[in-house]
Amino acid sequence: DAGVIQSPRHEVTEMGQEVTLRCKLISGHNSLFWYRQTMMRGLELLIYFNNNVPIDDSGMPEDRFSAKMPNASFSTLKIQPSEPRDSAVYFCASSLEREANYGYTFGSGTRLTVV
Amino acid sequence: GDSVTQMEGPVTLSEEAFLTINCTYTATGYPSLFWYVQYPGEGLQLLLKATKADDKGSNKGFEATYRKETTSFHLEKGSVQVSDSAVYFCALTLNTNAGKSTFGDGTTLTVKP
Repeated sequence: DAGVIQSPRHEVTEMGQEVTLRCKLISGHNSLFWYRQTMMRGLELLIYFNNNVPIDDSGMPEDRFSAKMPNASFSTLKIQPSEPRDSAVYFCASSLEREANYGYTFGSGTRLTVV
Repeated sequence: GDSVTQMEGPVTLSEEAFLTINCTYTATGYPSLFWYVQYPGEGLQLLLKATKADDKGSNKGFEATYRKETTSFHLEKGSVQVSDSAVYFCALTLNTNAGKSTFGDGTTLTVKP
């Protein structure tokens, strides 16, 4: 299995531009989690899905952030318009909901820099 | 609500020293417990887990025992190596909330030769 695949690995964009981060889940996993990691705030849960349905988006910082799961194996996180304070490493992780003891498989992350 | 409290870092050790990173939890139920490791520039990786009281999870020389009476899951390694330098996260998951985990703040370990 190729694991959880995130793209791009690095993204540099100008303030005000739209940014789309992508995540491909492990085949058969049905829960998907988006996290943001910064030195100041650590690891923050932004939103998570189960069976393609958003369960809790209370961690999404503002309306500028949106996430979708158009199918069971793929998700996007969009920031529009982007701001310098959005600079962070964004991770997605997937798991098999039926197995709470299964643990997460994380992607390698997307390092976003907004200038 | 559910929470995980980890020993504050950073932790700096010499090679071959003994490692303990403390983790305690609060949960409204009977959680599964995990340790994840994050190497520089990478995502978190599952290091070990335990799903019931007195279970011991182990991997790569690391161990942690699920202690229900003290609500703890301390990470230990008998002899650390420079390559163990990383950030370590303790986490819990309940059989609810679609498997959402609660993570601790992470503990940075630096091992010096």
